Amino acid sequence: GAVVSQHPSWVICKSGTSVKIECRSLDFQATTMFWYRQFPKQSLMLMATSNEGSKATYEQGVEKDKFLINHASLTLSTLTVTSAHPEDSSFYICSATAGPYQETQYFGPGTRLLVL
Amino acid sequence: LAKTTQPISMDSYEGQEVNITCSHNNIATNDYITWYQQFPSQGPRFIIQGYKTKVKNEVASLFIPADRKSSTLSLPRVSLSDTAVYYCLVGPNRDDKIIFGKGTRLHILP
Repeated sequence: GAVVSQHPSWVICKSGTSVKIECRSLDFQATTMFWYRQFPKQSLMLMATSNEGSKATYEQGVEKDKFLINHASLTLSTLTVTSAHPEDSSFYICSATAGPYQETQYFGPGTRLLVL
Repeated sequence: LAKTTQPISMDSYEGQEVNITCSHNNIATNDYITWYQQFPSQGPRFIIQGYKTKVKNEVASLFIPADRKSSTLSLPRVSLSDTAVYYCLVGPNRDDKIIFGKGTRLHILP
């Protein structure tokens, strides 16, 4: 149980294009979903927290107009990197929790983004 | 903010027991302690979670002293496939931030 999927697993795009990443909780309803970014050899950095039906809460330094998050249902959240640039190349990971107090996080497999 | 401190790296040999300690001096009353394992180019995987004393599951044990200012993840009889980064995460409460520390890079040698 508690499986989270991400799609796509990797994507290569040209600079200036937008990329959408989907995060789905497959066997539970996720009250909260989180989006992280991870650069090589570094730890995970929380980008934003999203709750179904409400606006995402972004961490300091994360541009909400650049990283659009939509949490349309209890099983789906999407992250759209708008007008991607090479510095946005990274490993993006989502996670989901089932409880109201951000208990155990179940992580997706991650999406590798390469912007040329 | 419940900040954690772990050793940056550890080496061990196959078949040995490995103990990774995490310090979390400002843990809050309602905080839980959760450990995750991450392989390269994969999302972290939940290992174990505890609040106090000892917790054990099929893959690991978690020891938490009475003051809860630290915790120790114990991996019995490690194998090469246990080579990964291990993260200790404390909390969070509803209004608290989630901060992943640098983690411990565990390298298992044959």
